[in-house]
Amino acid sequence: DAKTTQPTSMDCAEGRAANLPCNHSTISGNEYVYWYRQIHSQGPQYIIHGLKNNETNEMASLIITEDRKSSTLILPHATLRDTAVYYCIVRVAVGEYGNKLVFGAGTILRVKS
Amino acid sequence: NAGVTQTPKFRVLKTGQSMTLLCAQDMNHEYMYWYRQDPGMGLRLIHYSVGEGTTAKGEVPDGYNVSRLKKQNFLLGLESAAPSQTSVYFCASSYEGAENIQYFGAGTRLSVL
Repeated sequence: DAKTTQPTSMDCAEGRAANLPCNHSTISGNEYVYWYRQIHSQGPQYIIHGLKNNETNEMASLIITEDRKSSTLILPHATLRDTAVYYCIVRVAVGEYGNKLVFGAGTILRVKS
Repeated sequence: NAGVTQTPKFRVLKTGQSMTLLCAQDMNHEYMYWYRQDPGMGLRLIHYSVGEGTTAKGEVPDGYNVSRLKKQNFLLGLESAAPSQTSVYFCASSYEGAENIQYFGAGTRLSVL
């Protein structure tokens, strides 16, 4: 099972890009990288996912290295509302019928004015 | 656009009491999940369902029961609450075929005294 390593916390100035790294050196060839975030006192929120190509949506961009051992989530213009815990999820265990998400400790991103 | 709705939002129980947490989703999702989140730990899967009338055990199913009588609802029951079940409970749902893109409710904060 692939494991992820993320920094415990990061600070970012409002309006600047927030770059959140994740190491997943044991990822297997067919495992996707998923990013979720959890704003204080709310449920987790899906952000983006990718396999090997870079991905972009209305919330963020995901850059995956060519060897797929690490990735970076980019919030292009961070706002105070982006302050949250960001989870990089690689290991997705398959249960009896389906999958479950394994949330680690994540990175606490603090956006400051 | 309600998404995933959990009721109640807060509850205090005495040891030995029973209660049912309700999760309702309006996205016509096949899959539904119940997680618990404790301080300093990630989310842990309690039970899940891959469709109406089906349920399956997750990582920490003991002390909980679930039912999925209607596609849009997933109920989590505690027959005899224990202090160890003090936690924040999250419900989530997803489409079949996109199980790892889950939509979460706002959570239920349960205290068992």
